[in-house]
Amino acid sequence: RKEVEQDPGPFNVPEGATVAFNCTYSNSASQSFFWYRQDCRKEPKLLMSVYSSGNEDGRFTAQLNRASQYISLLIRDSKLSDSATYLCVVNSAAGNQFYFGTGTSLTVIP
Amino acid sequence: ETGVTQSPTHLIKTRGQQVTLRCSSQSGHNTVSWYQQALGQGPQFIFQYYREEENGRGNFPPRFSGLQFPNYSSELNVNALELDDSALYLCASSRDRGNEQFFGPGTRLTVL
Repeated sequence: RKEVEQDPGPFNVPEGATVAFNCTYSNSASQSFFWYRQDCRKEPKLLMSVYSSGNEDGRFTAQLNRASQYISLLIRDSKLSDSATYLCVVNSAAGNQFYFGTGTSLTVIP
Repeated sequence: ETGVTQSPTHLIKTRGQQVTLRCSSQSGHNTVSWYQQALGQGPQFIFQYYREEENGRGNFPPRFSGLQFPNYSSELNVNALELDDSALYLCASSRDRGNEQFFGPGTRLTVL
């Protein structure tokens, strides 16, 4: 079983829509969780860390559900510039290995 | 504050050769991780260096090796290159182990 699993999509949504991505992880002892975005042929860029209490940054909300072992990312009022691949990242229990999902592709359509 | 830098940007090698990739970590960061990203896949963790010691390793063979220097810059060495080693190699630095990682632009390696 993979450490981290994501639905690869693609998700094609109109501007202004709300879209949500989920990511499941296999190790219940994992401690740190992150969302990154990656544009085509570029490096991943940190979008936000995911905290147990959930956190929000503008139009983006991240949630962690430890009981069901998944993290989620909600994007409200989608913009054309949100088109990218979104990667979830889970740290190993020991904190010394990072596992990336395969990424979810999002295209926001005018 | 200088971000993470990597060199070279692109590299073409032939099967069986050896390659060294370089990474300069962001100022104030003592931890460097290396990743391999094949087309259409998420980055795969190769290993992590913390204060000049290997701190964790993914499922990669021993021909993938690394170093971290006192200034926390790092090298990734790959021996006996195979065609499947063709990928984008990403370096990421963080303030400490387990913290948010910041990526460099990557080195695109092509093995012919």
